Amino acid sequence: DQQVKQNSPSLSVQEGRISILNCDYTNSMFDYFLWYKKYPAEGPTFLISISSIKDKNEDGRFTVFLNKSAKHLSLHIVPSQPGDSAVYFCAASIQGGSEKLVFGKGMKLTVNP
Amino acid sequence: DTGVSQNPRHKITKRGQNVTFRCDPISEHNRLYWYRQTLGQGPEFLTYFQNEAQLEKSRLLSDRFSAERPKGSFSTLEIQRTEQGDSAMYLCASSSGLAPSYEQYFGPGTRLTVT
Repeated sequence: DQQVKQNSPSLSVQEGRISILNCDYTNSMFDYFLWYKKYPAEGPTFLISISSIKDKNEDGRFTVFLNKSAKHLSLHIVPSQPGDSAVYFCAASIQGGSEKLVFGKGMKLTVNP
Repeated sequence: DTGVSQNPRHKITKRGQNVTFRCDPISEHNRLYWYRQTLGQGPEFLTYFQNEAQLEKSRLLSDRFSAERPKGSFSTLEIQRTEQGDSAMYLCASSSGLAPSYEQYFGPGTRLTVT
């Protein structure tokens, strides 16, 4: 059973436009959410996170929105740049224990010049 | 800060052989995690250490897998009698476990190919 779902396998956007990556989760115990970016042959790189006590967190061009009632989060990248082209993973954890991460399957973002 | 390092980066082995991977976490991090990633999937949790204690293991970690973290520093993951289904990217991550940030930082991974 996939507890974290990224239903769109890919997204293509033009440079300078907004990229919106979506993620849904089923486990209501999750209370911390993270986005990672991954290039081929490298490990995932942490981008941004959000605690369940917040509904928005912003860091430069990256903003994560959390809708707890819908069990949905999204990552907005504005403006998108060609260097943002990578696979993006949504992950969730439960604080207080091991805090192991449960990942979605990832979404490939392509930003065209 | 040198980040999380993993060795080797690539390993090709024949079925039935034993392999061992090493992970060196960020020096001040007391939490260390192993994950496995196969093609088209996100990383899946294998096991977790807090300092030298192994506190959680996934059901994915069969009896052929063993992990250690002596002295709470580097960690090793050993796979005995490898099978073709063990072919995957093995990722190590570390974190400080300190509020308010719980992010894990990943190494580059060890890609295992079992022939």
